[in-house]
Amino acid sequence: GGIITQTPKFLIGQEGQKLTLKCQQNFNHDTMYWYRQDSGKGLRLIYYSITENDLQKGDLSEGYDASREKKSSFSLTVTSAQKNEMAVFLCASSIKGNTLYFGAGTRLSVL
Amino acid sequence: GQQVQQSPASLVLQEGENAELQCNFSTSLNSMQWFYQRPGGSLVSLFYNPSGTKHSGRLTSTTVIKERRSSLHISSSQTTDSGTYLCALEGSGGSNYKLTFGKGTLLTVTP
Repeated sequence: GGIITQTPKFLIGQEGQKLTLKCQQNFNHDTMYWYRQDSGKGLRLIYYSITENDLQKGDLSEGYDASREKKSSFSLTVTSAQKNEMAVFLCASSIKGNTLYFGAGTRLSVL
Repeated sequence: GQQVQQSPASLVLQEGENAELQCNFSTSLNSMQWFYQRPGGSLVSLFYNPSGTKHSGRLTSTTVIKERRSSLHISSSQTTDSGTYLCALEGSGGSNYKLTFGKGTLLTVTP
């Protein structure tokens, strides 16, 4: 079996700060995803990547950048944290057309 | 865009009762997946079910493509089944790789 590791688990930032979230997977999956989960709104796709160095925008990409420099890692940057923002960011990976595997999440709070 | 509607939004059961969770979608699909999320936890895949019926222990998933719906049946519910159940659709055509999630059904099973 494999595992998806997200760091950090908790992230506290200041308004306007640039914040980076990291995700590593050892499944050797080609496709990786970043989702944002807000209470009452389900999961919304921010960015995904179908292979190394590929980036595809999701429905919520504004305000975010992403980087897929290696097959095993996919990072997400909040370009300017919004005051009082609170959300959980979930990383996932899959082989195309198959089950998604999720990491434990990064919980963001912005003061 | 793709629409995924889950019902009910929340459900309270007594231990031993059965549950039927619904997911309706407004577009043709490549795949349908069901996930479970414990409070504060990450998502765990329950079923990858693009069509037909699949069983896993007390859980049954049925996807009927023509009727654009998928259901998750939980039999003889237990308190440990409490949590949020989410369905996710991968649409056909130009939206390959992207999963669209419903908002989830919050299930509470009381002793």
